[in-house]
Order: sequence, then structure tokens, then C-alpha cells
Amino acid sequence: GDSVIQMQGQVTLSENDFLFINCTYSTTGYPTLFWYVQYSGEGPQLLLQVTTANNKGSSRGFEATYDKGTTSFHLQKTSVQEIDSAVYYCAMRPLYQGGRALIFGTGTTVSVSP
Amino acid sequence: EAAVTQSPRNKVAVTGGKVTLSCNQTNNHNNMYWYRQDTGHGLRLIHYSYGAGSTEKGDIPDGYKASRPSQENFSLILELATPSQTSVYFCASGVRDWGLEQYFGPGTRLTVL
Repeated sequence: GDSVIQMQGQVTLSENDFLFINCTYSTTGYPTLFWYVQYSGEGPQLLLQVTTANNKGSSRGFEATYDKGTTSFHLQKTSVQEIDSAVYYCAMRPLYQGGRALIFGTGTTVSVSP
Repeated sequence: EAAVTQSPRNKVAVTGGKVTLSCNQTNNHNNMYWYRQDTGHGLRLIHYSYGAGSTEKGDIPDGYKASRPSQENFSLILELATPSQTSVYFCASGVRDWGLEQYFGPGTRLTVL
């Protein structure tokens, strides 16, 4: 069945470190992929989305790359700040409708210390 | 500003009791969703709706009912609450095209004792 896998449950960094979070997906065809960010006490919000048409997306200093060959979708930021501490969710919208909403990964908690 | 609001923000219920979680959106979106968030599981879809009067089962609907009386409002109902339903619940809205962004509310923390 369709699934989204985030292996990294927790990432701990210092300010100005490089952030890399990987996500892999399983579905038929090439879905639209998303990264959502959830700050403490808030609901998730869209960080960026990428389709196969453009392969990359960027927002607020974050960049995401869609690799059809390895069915992976990773998020990176060159120099993280303490305000980037949050939970990051990879999500997928399958090609077929089937009544589904987005399929989310289990989330990666990023903690950045000053 | 368009927004999704949820009430209550925190709720303590007793096992076997009835719980209703409410969601209101001013985005004028057709689609609305209820998710629960649990450590190790991320966000899981409980019910969703295409518009007023419609409700559909998501991935984990057992023990939950939903009601969409209007475009703006979408409720999640636990008729007989159990401790396993202790979680954080998020409501979201989205336009009819599934490929576009979903807007989430701030969440409701439910504890069932």
C-alpha cells in the first residue's frame, strides 16, 4: 500500500549546522510531495511542495529535492537557527484520488541549540 | 485572515463518556479533515468531508463519528470514549483539489481517564 517513511525520529543540532532529513515513499507513479512543519503548540503548516515537474522546491531557506529514481524526498537547510526547532513531516498526495487526503510520515523532531 | 479554529483546546473525559470536538473554518474550503497525532505514528486520518452533509471514513475511523452540518463546521464525535483515544486531534481544511495545501487548526489535547 501507499506509505511514507521517515527514519529519523529525532535530530539534534547546534546553530549554523547543516540539516538533512530524508523521506522515502511508496506508491504508484509519481506523487506530489510536501514538507510540513509544526512548531510547539501549533498545528502543522505547509513548508513547501514539489512535483516531478520541477523536482526541487525552496522556502524560508529550506530546500527539498524529489528523486524519482530512489523514490526519496529530502529536506535540507545549510545553516539552521534555534527558531527552526520543530517537528517536520513529509507527506504525499498519491496520483489516484480514491478519497484519500495526504499521507504523512511519522515526523522528525529537530532540536537546535544556540 | 482565513483560519481554522478548534474547541475545546484541552479536554479531560471519562471512559465511556461522550466527547465532541468541534472545528470551524473561515477559508471557505470544501474539504475538511480530522487527524490524530501520536508519537511514533505521526498524523493519521480519521474522517474527512467533501462538503456540507458529507462524511467519509479515513484510515482509522473505528470508535469515531463525524458530522459536517455546514461548509464551516466539522465535528468529531466519540460516543464511548476509551483511554486509547487519548491523543492530540487536528482539524484541517483544504480546497477540492487534493493536491493543494491543507490548513490545520491548533489542535485539541484529549485525555480519557
